[in-house]
Amino acid sequence: DTEVTQTPKHLVMGMTNKKSLKCEQHMGHRAMYWYKQKAKKPPELMFVYSYEKLSINESVPSRFSPECPNSSLLNLHLHALQPEDSALYLCASSQVFLDGGYQPQHFGDGTRLSIL
Amino acid sequence: QKEVEQNSGPLSVPEGAIASLNCTYSDRGSQSFFWYRQYSGKSPELIMFIYSNGDKEDGRFTAQLNKASQYVSLLIRDSQPSDSATYLCAVGSGGFKTIFGAGTRLFVKA
Repeated sequence: DTEVTQTPKHLVMGMTNKKSLKCEQHMGHRAMYWYKQKAKKPPELMFVYSYEKLSINESVPSRFSPECPNSSLLNLHLHALQPEDSALYLCASSQVFLDGGYQPQHFGDGTRLSIL
Repeated sequence: QKEVEQNSGPLSVPEGAIASLNCTYSDRGSQSFFWYRQYSGKSPELIMFIYSNGDKEDGRFTAQLNKASQYVSLLIRDSQPSDSATYLCAVGSGGFKTIFGAGTRLFVKA
């Protein structure tokens, strides 16, 4: 069983809808990540939070809005998405080294998102 | 542009053989190296990580790192059909960024 839990597992939404993806980890990790993965491609980093602060935004369109309410939770708010945004959205978490290094990332099962 | 290169495969090996998966990376300052296994339709699963030159063994898996050659590999001994998956090499180059290779598809024939 994964220790990073993502909900929902599947989501179908229209281009005018607003929805949110949720991620929760109970591993005591202080870094959390959102990735997007298209079929037969590697995961692409979208956002990184470290100690609940946004550390990295990989020039993601504003129709994706991340939020980190606390050290265990990570949300991704979706609005006015396009069909090309259909993909598997993965959440991951990791420890943080004090020297800035980082530990391996542990992934949740993902949310498979389809935009109609 | 930091890059991680893998042979896309498919790599086909018979059951019981050793599967050898290879990866090269472009950023000489890279510090952390990871191998993930991903079954079709599933999320990546961490199977090995290595930080220092040399070999690291865990069960049937051995990760090998050569920083001078900017090369990292994964050996799977006694390959099983259940090992059939895509194997992603990932490299940490500083901060929180991990760069993933495109993955190598492995088929283990029964």
